[in-house]
Amino acid sequence: AQSVSQHNHHVILSEAASLELGCNYSYGGTVNLFWYVQYPGQHLQLLLKYFSGDPLVKGIKGFEAEFIKSKFSFNLRKPSVQWSDTAEYFCAVTHPDRGSTLGRLYFGRGTQLTVWP
Amino acid sequence: NAGVTQTPKFQVLKTGQSMTLQCAQDMNHNSMYWYRQDPGMGLRLIYYSASEGTTDKGEVPNGYNVSRLNKREFSLRLESAAPSQTSVYFCASRWDPSYEQYFGPGTRLTVT
Repeated sequence: AQSVSQHNHHVILSEAASLELGCNYSYGGTVNLFWYVQYPGQHLQLLLKYFSGDPLVKGIKGFEAEFIKSKFSFNLRKPSVQWSDTAEYFCAVTHPDRGSTLGRLYFGRGTQLTVWP
Repeated sequence: NAGVTQTPKFQVLKTGQSMTLQCAQDMNHNSMYWYRQDPGMGLRLIYYSASEGTTDKGEVPNGYNVSRLNKREFSLRLESAAPSQTSVYFCASRWDPSYEQYFGPGTRLTVT
């Protein structure tokens, strides 16, 4: 079964600090990769996604992620965080080429980011 | 477009009571999903439906049943609620070409 690991459970930063959240997955075949964000009291929203092509993906609000196939990783980055980035971040993986699980998302356990003003 | 809607937003049940969580989407998506979110556990898939008339179990289906009433609606039923089912429940639908899932606002369920 697919597993998705997010190694940082809680990250605390000051405004303007740089951010990198780790995500590793276990499936060796073709994957589609996502980062979702959940602001306090809200539902999940898509930050960015990778399907193919350029492994450096840019998303909303200045976030980007890099797909490194050899490391089974899809780390999320932001050069300078803001207080409004305080939220929980989830990495997710799906397998576009596996019939019965087509479209099913496998989530990591999430990383809580707290940004101090 | 309202996107994915869920009702109710909050619910408190006593152990043994039953209830149905409702989910509807107006994006003409084929696939729909039910997840539960627990602290430190991320989102875990309960059931999903690849198309109208089909449903499949996810990671944590025990204690739940689902109905794909039509293309728009996908309901989740707890027949006999247990405290272990205290959680936040999210419904999602998927736009087939992109595999991107769109989430509803969630239902916060407490079972006492």
